[in-house]
Amino acid sequence: DSGVTQTPKHLITATGQRVTLRCSPRSGDLSVYWYQQSLDQGLQFLIQYYNGEERAKGNILERFSAQQFPDLHSELNLSSLELGDSALYFCASSVDPGRANYGYTFGSGTRLTVV
Amino acid sequence: AQTVTQSQPEMSVQEAETVTLSCTYDTSESNYYLFWYKQPPSRQMILVIRQEAYKQQNATENRFSVNFQKAAKSFSLKISDSQLGDTAMYFCAIQWGGAQKLVFGQGTRLTINP
Repeated sequence: DSGVTQTPKHLITATGQRVTLRCSPRSGDLSVYWYQQSLDQGLQFLIQYYNGEERAKGNILERFSAQQFPDLHSELNLSSLELGDSALYFCASSVDPGRANYGYTFGSGTRLTVV
Repeated sequence: AQTVTQSQPEMSVQEAETVTLSCTYDTSESNYYLFWYKQPPSRQMILVIRQEAYKQQNATENRFSVNFQKAAKSFSLKISDSQLGDTAMYFCAIQWGGAQKLVFGQGTRLTINP
């Protein structure tokens, strides 16, 4: 157990639907990162939050949004889902952005299947 | 832009052998960090080893070591005395000092055979 908890582990939903993926960072970590792993795109950075504030944005679609709550857990919201959104979504955490250079701790991911 | 290339999609070796996974990268940054992550069938991403670009000494972690050639922008991973538990996808990644995001290569699928 890495200490980063992601729920649910698996999710199957239909095109056009909306889902929420949840992440609880490792205890003491203030920064949360979201990544998407798909067969065609590989591992892509989506977005980073630090202590509740958005810190950096990557290749995140407009249909996707995220937030980090006061208790530091984070949610990634995916809407108007398309078949191509099927992927493994990872959350990772670090103590603070300055410590990210020591490597993140990743969760075990949420496998999203859009049918 | 930073890019990472792993030229070996798949590799297979016998248990106890030594194997080297290749990684090249491109960056215009002077302050950056390089990583190898392992993704076993459980799909958990696990940090294997980390290298700071300003350090000439190659990083080692038990059976894992790197060959960091800064001028050639090469960062290979050597696994000694390979074990069945080393079977996994291995990803090379770069992170530069001003940002915290990781840019990953496409991965190398490594299989250790008994």
